[in-house]
Amino acid sequence: AQSVTQLDSQVPVFEEAPVELRCNYSSSVSVYLFWYVQYPNQGLQLLLKYLSGSTLVKGINGFEAEFNKSQTSFHLRKPSVHISDTAEYFCAVSDQGDDKIIFGKGTRLHILP
Amino acid sequence: DTEVTQTPKHLVMGMTNKKSLKCEQHMGHRAMYWYKQKAKKPPELMFVYSYEKLSINESVPSRFSPECPNSSLLNLHLHALQPEDSALYLCASSQEWSNEQFFGPGTRLTVL
Repeated sequence: AQSVTQLDSQVPVFEEAPVELRCNYSSSVSVYLFWYVQYPNQGLQLLLKYLSGSTLVKGINGFEAEFNKSQTSFHLRKPSVHISDTAEYFCAVSDQGDDKIIFGKGTRLHILP
Repeated sequence: DTEVTQTPKHLVMGMTNKKSLKCEQHMGHRAMYWYKQKAKKPPELMFVYSYEKLSINESVPSRFSPECPNSSLLNLHLHALQPEDSALYLCASSQEWSNEQFFGPGTRLTVL
C-alpha cells in the first residue's frame, strides 16, 4: 500500500529566508503527487501537483517542488518565505487510476519575524 | 464555478440529535469525498462516491450515513454521534483522471 512520510512535523524559519519541506513516498510504478496547504480554520488548497512530464513543478504563491523518482521524493521549496505562509502543509500521493489519495502527517511552517 | 461549497460552516449538536452536512460542486467532477479531520492531523478518508455510487467506505460507524442525490450534491447524515466525533468535516471532488481533489472549507462539528 502507498504511504507518505513527512519527517518534519514543524519547521521554523525566519521571514525572507528559503525553506524546504520534505516528502518521501513508497515506491510505485506510476503516481500522482500533490502538495496542499491548510491555513488556520480553512479547508485544503492545492499548491502544486505532479502528474507527468517535467520533474520541476511550479505552483501558487512562489512554491515549487521537484519529483525525484530514484529517491521517491517530492520536496517543496520556496526561496523567500513571508509571514502569510504560516500554515500546515500536506504532501499527498495517489496511484494512477486510484480514487484515494494518501496524505502525509503534515508539516507546520512557522515563520519567525 | 471552480469551488466546492459546504453548509453549515459550524454545527453544534447533542448526542441524540439528527443533522445533515451538505456539499455541492458544479465543476462536473465525477468523484466526491467525505473526510474527517481532527486538530493537528491530516484528513482521514470516510467515503468516496464515483458516478453517484458509493465506491469506498473506510469502515465508518453507521451513525454516519452518506448520500449522493445527484452528481453535484453530497450529504452526510449524522445520528447519535459521540463527543469524539467532534472534528472538521471536509468535502472534496475530483475529475475523472487527475485525482486532484478540490476541497471545500469544511464544517466544524461539535458534539456535546
